Amino acid sequence: DAKTTQPPSMDCAEGRAANLPCNHSTISGNEYVYWYRQIHSQGPQYIIHGLKNNETNEMASLIITEDRKSSTLILPHATLRDTAVYYCIVRSFNNDMRFGAGTRLTVKP
Amino acid sequence: NAGVTQTPKFQVLKTGQSMTLQCAQDMNHNSMYWYRQDPGMGLRLIYYSASEGTTDKGEVPNGYNVSRLNKREFSLRLESAAPSQTSVYFCASSLTWGNSPLHFGNGTRLTVT
Repeated sequence: DAKTTQPPSMDCAEGRAANLPCNHSTISGNEYVYWYRQIHSQGPQYIIHGLKNNETNEMASLIITEDRKSSTLILPHATLRDTAVYYCIVRSFNNDMRFGAGTRLTVKP
Repeated sequence: NAGVTQTPKFQVLKTGQSMTLQCAQDMNHNSMYWYRQDPGMGLRLIYYSASEGTTDKGEVPNGYNVSRLNKREFSLRLESAAPSQTSVYFCASSLTWGNSPLHFGNGTRLTVT
């Protein structure tokens, strides 16, 4: 699987959009980009995933660049409950899900 | 619909003791996984079961065994616990192996003294 690079930490003001970047410059054509988050010490929570098109669901939007070498997870209106560690993972169809260190997002009032 | 249920939530063992961590899912998922998470680190895959009747090693399988008891249940056994196995253990399941999101339980905190 391609490796990912994420900033270790970010802050965001409550009510504003949180934009979390992820670099995956060695991604292959059959590899998907997944995002999970982990709130405090709970189990990771699936957020969204995509291959090359932008995706949106009730939690977030995923923007993947045209060359697929990077992506951005967007939380449109961050709340205090969105404070968590966010993991960007690149996964191919026949491989398991491997987590890195992630980005610690702190939403501030 | 409870999702993925792990028991126990907390456990303290002495070095050399054995125990089994239990995991059950009620989502009719085919694939199940065991991860461990150490302080300040991401999750590392211990073992997985792509489908009922199969199990395979992940990144860090040494010191562990698993059993896929049926489609719902996937247990993790520590035969002779060591302090290095102090960790938080997460079970997960997914509809299929491959492009299918994982759903996680809330973990078992294990301390080995």
